[in-house]
Amino acid sequence: LAKTTQPISMDSYEGQEVNITCSHNNIATNDYITWYQQFPSQGPRFIIQGYKTKVTNEVASLFIPADRKSSTLSLPRVSLSDTAVYYCLVGDRRDDMRFGAGTRLTVKP
Amino acid sequence: DAGVIQSPRHEVTEMGQEVTLRCKPISGHDYLFWYRQTMMRGLELLIYFNNNVPIDDSGMPEDRFSAKMPNASFSTLKIQPSEPRDSAVYFCASSLSLTTDTQYFGPGTRLTVL
Repeated sequence: LAKTTQPISMDSYEGQEVNITCSHNNIATNDYITWYQQFPSQGPRFIIQGYKTKVTNEVASLFIPADRKSSTLSLPRVSLSDTAVYYCLVGDRRDDMRFGAGTRLTVKP
Repeated sequence: DAGVIQSPRHEVTEMGQEVTLRCKPISGHDYLFWYRQTMMRGLELLIYFNNNVPIDDSGMPEDRFSAKMPNASFSTLKIQPSEPRDSAVYFCASSLSLTTDTQYFGPGTRLTVL
């Protein structure tokens, strides 16, 4: 199982761009990188998924360098409602993808 | 679709009692997963089903835990007898496949065993 490492916590202010980096040095060829968001008292929610280079959707962007040993989730212009825990998962099957401790993002006014 | 539905949302019971948690996956999803989340251990995969058949229960902590999926629209996670260390939030999730399809989580059941 590919192991991931993320910062435990991050602080930001409203309107700023937030970048959360995840390290996955032993990522396998078939593995995808998936990010989830979890608000208090809710289940995790899918944000974005990618394999290489850059992926963008209406919520976030995901940057993956050529060696794929890390990835960066970018949240543009965060608001207070983006305060949550963000999880980085790596794998090619659901049962191989483990939720780590995640990164607790706190957005301040 | 209403998403993944779990009941009850909160359960408080006494040690030794039987607890049954329920889940209704999203219609058409072939995979159903049960997770447990605690502060100490984070979010752990307990068991998952494919087309109502349990595939991997290696995450089930011990024999006191059992899960069933009698049909495509219903699953239960039972703890008998319950212990205080079982206190956690239990999530059910479903997805179309085991590969890279999005996994949808329910709101969770917060279990407190006194």
